[in-house]
Amino acid sequence: AQSVTQPDIHITVSEGASLELRCNYSYGATPYLFWYVQSPGQGLQLLLKYFSGDTLVQGIKGFEAEFKRSQSSFNLRKPSVHWSDAAEYFCAVERGNKLVFGAGTILRVKS
Amino acid sequence: GAVVSQHPSWVICKSGTSVKIECRSLDFQATTMFWYRQFPKQSLMLMATSNEGSKATYEQGVEKDKFLINHASLTLSTLTVTSAHPEDSSFYICSAASGTSGGAIEETQYFGPGTRLLVL
Repeated sequence: AQSVTQPDIHITVSEGASLELRCNYSYGATPYLFWYVQSPGQGLQLLLKYFSGDTLVQGIKGFEAEFKRSQSSFNLRKPSVHWSDAAEYFCAVERGNKLVFGAGTILRVKS
Repeated sequence: GAVVSQHPSWVICKSGTSVKIECRSLDFQATTMFWYRQFPKQSLMLMATSNEGSKATYEQGVEKDKFLINHASLTLSTLTVTSAHPEDSSFYICSAASGTSGGAIEETQYFGPGTRLLVL
């Protein structure tokens, strides 16, 4: 069955440190992949998406993600985290022209 | 950027009453809007897809008579939870697609901030 797994419910990093949020999917073909961020009181915002081509995707706010077919992963990275990055992050996969979301990872940033 | 609003942000109601949630695209026209439901510590689950001027398409397991969706204009979709019960308590999120491809996955979805419903 199609699923999206975000293994980490919570992650805490220090401001200025690097960040990697994990996302794994179970799907036969190469899916369309997305990362969204949700800040308190705001709607989900698209950070980046992968449809095809270069497997390293650049997004907004300094985020990037790399699609690794062999690992069925689409991990989100940022080299230096800012306090404003504290939020909940959702990985999503396209299935039948619809979005299937992971359970989310809450990022806490400590100063 | 494109903005989607939801109203109300919070609603508490008694069991058996109906609740209407509005989703508006503020600065663009949305041919297609989506309604999601999110339980605590779980992912968003698509409930239905609505296209302006036509009936909504509901996902398997979602009761269409329980969750009434109306998409009467290109900027407004409403979700009415009829005869609400405590198990309907949840976080309801809408999104709007800005393109003209009927909500094709290539179109960016813009999400509202969500409505938290508590049924007593």
